[in-house]
Amino acid sequence: QSALTQPASVSGSPGQSITISCTGTSSDVGGYNRVSWYQQHPGKAPKLMIYEVSKWPSGVSNRFSGSKSGNTASLTISGLQAEDEADYYCCSYASTITYVFGTGTKVTVL
Amino acid sequence: QVQLVQSGAQVKEPGASVKVSCQASGYTFTAYHIHWVRQARGQGLEWVGIFRSDGTTVYAQDFQGRVTVTRDTSTSTVYMELSSLRSEDTAMYYCVREGPNTYFFDYWGQGTLVTVSS
Repeated sequence: QSALTQPASVSGSPGQSITISCTGTSSDVGGYNRVSWYQQHPGKAPKLMIYEVSKWPSGVSNRFSGSKSGNTASLTISGLQAEDEADYYCCSYASTITYVFGTGTKVTVL
Repeated sequence: QVQLVQSGAQVKEPGASVKVSCQASGYTFTAYHIHWVRQARGQGLEWVGIFRSDGTTVYAQDFQGRVTVTRDTSTSTVYMELSSLRSEDTAMYYCVREGPNTYFFDYWGQGTLVTVSS
């Protein structure tokens, strides 16, 4: 199972919106609405930000939004803030009860 | 509150085995799946395997034959054992909770650093 493809880095100025893509195949991202996104600050465990493509867990800001088209899922961060600077990973269910993560994207707030 | 508390860092020689524990509290232990995810320093997340609430296990293809995940319901603990260690197995290993049929990871352990070095 190959890792899902994400851009290595994305940057934006405070207040701007950025979008991170996550490209897989019809066997994972394209085949199920079971994509989740995780934020990871340095030295910390990842934190769930989006589940089932576009749903928010309790306590997560609605500045984070998710979507999917075909084999590509996307995470958009609106109103970018300094605290959003972190690594972001997508994850998809991939049949036969396996999961695959994305390659990770470093978000920099300029 | 939900907590997943993992055992401490370990250093192992190449070819050895390592066993990492993850003790859960704050929820009905047997109702949830527990996954293992690892992350090499400076690298991305990698799914290792799952111990499902029904007692079955599934492992990533890359770890088939080398990893075993078990559960002790008396202590609400899940164990991950990885054998035939090589330097590439040096990583932080996380245990992660998934609700049944939810397909996402809502709580993460603090991580256990496993270092493979001679």
